[in-house]
Amino acid sequence: AQKVTQAQTEISVVEKEDVTLDCVYETRDTTYYLFWYKQPPSGELVFLIRRNSFDEQNEISGRYSWNFQKSTSSFNFTITASQVVDSAVYFCALSEGGNNNDMRFGAGTRLTVKP
Amino acid sequence: DGGITQSPKYLFRKEGQNVTLSCEQNLNHDAMYWYRQDPGQGLRLIYYSQIVNDFQKGDIAEGYSVSREKKESFPLTVTSAQKNPTAFYLCASSMAGYTEAFFGQGTRLTVV
Repeated sequence: AQKVTQAQTEISVVEKEDVTLDCVYETRDTTYYLFWYKQPPSGELVFLIRRNSFDEQNEISGRYSWNFQKSTSSFNFTITASQVVDSAVYFCALSEGGNNNDMRFGAGTRLTVKP
Repeated sequence: DGGITQSPKYLFRKEGQNVTLSCEQNLNHDAMYWYRQDPGQGLRLIYYSQIVNDFQKGDIAEGYSVSREKKESFPLTVTSAQKNPTAFYLCASSMAGYTEAFFGQGTRLTVV
C-alpha cells in the first residue's frame, strides 16, 4: 500500500529564512508519481510540481526547489528566502497508478512565515 | 476566467438531513473528484468520475452520493447515513490521463 508521511506538522520561520519541508513515501511499485500542492488560506489546493519515479533530477523554480532521492524514499521541498505569502499548508502526494483517483496525500505541513 | 466553482462556501446541516454541495468547472476537463479534508489529515477521496454518466467510489464513499449528468457539473450529496459529516470538502478536475488536478476553494460543512 502506498503511504506518504509529512512528519513536520507545523513550521514557523522568519521572513528571508530558508525552509525545507520533508516528505517520505512508501510504495512497492517501481513506477509512481510524486506531487507537492500548496493550500493557501483561501482553501483551494494549488499544484506546484509532479515528478515521476524515473526522473531523479532535482528541480528549481524560482525560490522553490525539490530534492528527490529514491534511496531514502524522500521528496523534500525547499523554499529559499521565504516570504509572508509562502504561509500555507503544503501537501505531498503519491500516485502509483498514474491517475488522480489513486493519489494519496500526506497530512500536510503548515508553514507560517513571520515578517 | 476558467476554473472550478464550489458553492456554498459554508454550509450548516441539521442531523438527519441530506445536503448537496455544488461543483462546476469550465475547464472542459473530463475527470472530476471529491475529496474530504479533516484537521491534521490529508485529503481523502470520496468519489471520482472520468466521464459523464459514470463515477466510481473512492476510499470513503459511504454516506455520500454523486451524479455526473453534465461534463461541467459533479454535485456531491452528503446523506444522513454519513455519521461524521463535519469537514472541509474539496472538488477537483483534471484532463483525462495524467495531469495535475485543479481545485475549487472548498465547502466547509458543519452539522449543528
